[in-house]
Amino acid sequence: DAGVIQSPRHEVTEMGQEVTLRCKPISGHNSLFWYRQTMMRGLELLIYFNNNVPIDDSGMPEDRFSAKMPNASFSTLKIQPSEPRDSAVYFCASSSRGQGNYEQYFGPGTRLTVT
Amino acid sequence: GEDVEQSLFLSVREGDSSVINCTYTDSSSTYLYWYKQEPGAGLQLLTYIFSNMDMKQDQRLTVLLNKKDKHLSLRIADTQTGDSAIYFCAESRGRGSQGNLIFGKGTKLSVKP
Repeated sequence: DAGVIQSPRHEVTEMGQEVTLRCKPISGHNSLFWYRQTMMRGLELLIYFNNNVPIDDSGMPEDRFSAKMPNASFSTLKIQPSEPRDSAVYFCASSSRGQGNYEQYFGPGTRLTVT
Repeated sequence: GEDVEQSLFLSVREGDSSVINCTYTDSSSTYLYWYKQEPGAGLQLLTYIFSNMDMKQDQRLTVLLNKKDKHLSLRIADTQTGDSAIYFCAESRGRGSQGNLIFGKGTKLSVKP
């Protein structure tokens, strides 16, 4: 299995531009998570989906952030317009949630820099 | 409190044992986890323990669980420079489709040669 795939691995953009991050979960996993990691705030859960349905988006910072999961094998996290404070590493993770075990498998992350 | 708590830093000498501690909040957590994050990489599941166990050993790793005190620890025997990383404790919270992992802020382990 290729594991969780994220693209791009690095993104540098100017303030005000739209940014789209992509994630392909592990085949067969039914839950997908988007996290943000910064030095100041650590690892933050932004949103997660179960069977392609958003379950909890309370971690999404503001309306500039949106996430979609059109099918079981693809999800996007969009920031529009981007701001310098959005600079962080964004991780996608997936899980199969079998028998109460919620172990998650993480992708390599997308390092976003907004100038 | 609501948070999973860990100390932020730990420094040890190569060959010594490392012990990373964590306190969690939900006494009904079914599983507890340790993740490792190396520089520039995502979090990697290191090990986990089922809540009805007190201890789990896997080669150089020993996980101890004290459910009464909601305390979890990870011991790394014969610590190597390659063990330098950030270690995250996580607890499972909720059930079914609402279930999720709650992560601590991570402990940065530095191993000195």
